[in-house]
Amino acid sequence: GEQVEQLPSILRVQEGSSASINCSYEDSASNYFPWYKQEPGENPKLIIDIRSNMERKQIQELIVLLDKKAKRFSLHITDTQPGDSAMYFCAGGNEKITFGAGTKLTIKP
Amino acid sequence: AQTIHQWPVAEIKAVGSPLSLGCTIKGKSSPNLYWYWQATGGTLQQLFYSITVGQVESVVQLNLSASRPKDDQFILSTEKLLLSHSGFYLCAWSRDWGSQNTLYFGAGTRLSVL
Repeated sequence: GEQVEQLPSILRVQEGSSASINCSYEDSASNYFPWYKQEPGENPKLIIDIRSNMERKQIQELIVLLDKKAKRFSLHITDTQPGDSAMYFCAGGNEKITFGAGTKLTIKP
Repeated sequence: AQTIHQWPVAEIKAVGSPLSLGCTIKGKSSPNLYWYWQATGGTLQQLFYSITVGQVESVVQLNLSASRPKDDQFILSTEKLLLSHSGFYLCAWSRDWGSQNTLYFGAGTRLSVL
């Protein structure tokens, strides 16, 4: 099955700066890459996703990039705020989605 | 709008005791249903999925079983809990079987096995 690697596992950035999380996958047939945000004690919630027919997608301060040739995709959060502190999971796949190990993002005031 | 409800919210159980967790989806006919498990601070591990009533596929063997007795209901159970079963259990649904399907998660059940 698909394997998704996610780095870094821990990320601390200053409020107002940008945060970047990188993921890679193995299966070239994977065509769907969602990102989930999970706050402590809560369920994961979809924040943005990208399909293989796109290279870039932006929703407000969230930017997702997909490089199919390199089998890499990334999430960039611009102008981070305290409310962005959470666990973030990337995922990839086709019919079955595989999740990355997660990134704990902390926004420092 | 679709809603997903999981019960109970939390459980504290003894090793060797039985367990039953439930999940109900409202507002969507014939959803694809999933059970995920998450260790504290860990990733999301898919345990089971179901495309239709009465049909459940196992993804990972963890001495757990799942059943889909109704179109909108998914049950996770075991007759004998292990310490390793502790964690956060999440039910999820997606619209159709096929590629590029978004998963929507329930609020989860936090299980502590002592």
